[in-house]
Amino acid sequence: DAGITQSPRHKVTETGTPVTLRCHQTENHRYMYWYRQDPGHGLRLIHYSYGVKDTDKGEVSDGYSVSRSKTEDFLLTLESATSSQTSVYFCAISEEKNTGELFFGEGSRLTVL
Amino acid sequence: GESVGLHLPTLSVQEGDNSIINCAYSNSASDYFIWYKQESGKGPQFIIDIRSNMDKRQGQRVTVLLNKTVKHLSLQIAATQPGDSAVYFCAEKNTGRRALTFGSGTRLQVQP
Repeated sequence: DAGITQSPRHKVTETGTPVTLRCHQTENHRYMYWYRQDPGHGLRLIHYSYGVKDTDKGEVSDGYSVSRSKTEDFLLTLESATSSQTSVYFCAISEEKNTGELFFGEGSRLTVL
Repeated sequence: GESVGLHLPTLSVQEGDNSIINCAYSNSASDYFIWYKQESGKGPQFIIDIRSNMDKRQGQRVTVLLNKTVKHLSLQIAATQPGDSAVYFCAEKNTGRRALTFGSGTRLQVQP
């Protein structure tokens, strides 16, 4: 299994509070991604990174920010959580830019009350 | 707009039978297609991919077929086993996009 660790794995928080999810990889892969997974929507890309301090928006980036100060860590922040952000969040990594072979973490389940 | 979707949300097959999971896509510019498997409580796992210059690609017990004329992709699993029970996603990419677009998934249930 690819060395990807997401933390926390489960979190319950209240509307309006900040939340940070962490993705840590030991594979030294350049490319990292944050997806959210909701019933009926499959996986939707939030943000991605093509290297340290090189990030870009995905299709559902509103309300989220990311940071990547080190190759191994990709942080996803919800500045002010809303109930619509209740979801399962997956981090993924890839070795190449134009590959579809992503390695996913185990997911972080976030509930916003 | 472009989309990637699946015809059947749930597919139930008998152990030992072959399974066929279908996927339709709408973006004619898509040139790369991937199948993922997701078991309950886990992250998606890459199964097989195919580029648009191919019609068929085989892996271990799996075959992906691509019909660009009708924008259709399928995943065939031979001799389906209980361990194949999972949700299967197709995904697509084209050179104009920097990341994958996933379909909504099909659940495969293998009956003993």
